[in-house]
Amino acid sequence: GAGVSQSPSNKVTEKGKDVELRCDPISGHTALYWYRQSLGQGLEFLIYFQGNSAPDKSGLPSDRFSAERTGGSVSTLTIQRTQQEDSAVYLCASSSQSGGETQYFGPGTRLLVL
Amino acid sequence: GESVGLHLPTLSVQEGDNSIINCAYSNSASDYFIWYKQESGKGPQFIIDIRSNMDKRQGQRVTVLLNKTVKHLSLQIAATQPGDSAVYFCAERFSGSARQLTFGSGTQLTVLP
Repeated sequence: GAGVSQSPSNKVTEKGKDVELRCDPISGHTALYWYRQSLGQGLEFLIYFQGNSAPDKSGLPSDRFSAERTGGSVSTLTIQRTQQEDSAVYLCASSSQSGGETQYFGPGTRLLVL
Repeated sequence: GESVGLHLPTLSVQEGDNSIINCAYSNSASDYFIWYKQESGKGPQFIIDIRSNMDKRQGQRVTVLLNKTVKHLSLQIAATQPGDSAVYFCAERFSGSARQLTFGSGTQLTVLP
């Protein structure tokens, strides 16, 4: 596609359930990022993938959060045993090279944990 | 820790006027800066970027100014239009550190008719 796509666009879940969020980066982009945005706040870095290198997981808030990137393209962010404080918009971005060069964002997944 | 912050959380301007959105950063080692625009319900959209070896960069109706002496970044929007209403974020990249950007908390720009 022309841009970064994410699915689902909205997700409502119950506390304690697991959720999976998907990101399809721009074709050919080697770097992929996940961010979290709470209501009215800036973006909080979660995890970064670059090619086949080990991901930078330094932003993951707890061990309930994990992400993988298969085949250097699609990425899945998994949140286990969701808590109400996990409610936020989860944004994915991709860039054509490492080093924080222009990151292009998807529309985000709005997660609500009841 | 290091942070990027914005001077004004909200800014209202008349349609046709110029807008200036300011951003302060604290890490003198940052070497790359970006401005993003985020409309309600959408992901951030790239506006313009600037490297630390520059002090000014112009785009279409937008100009970014970088003052490394006082660690200040600004976004100027000429002839502001209703479609410019959005939240604007500045972000910095720390030279030599991890690849992610660090974002400020954003400024809500409202364009008045």
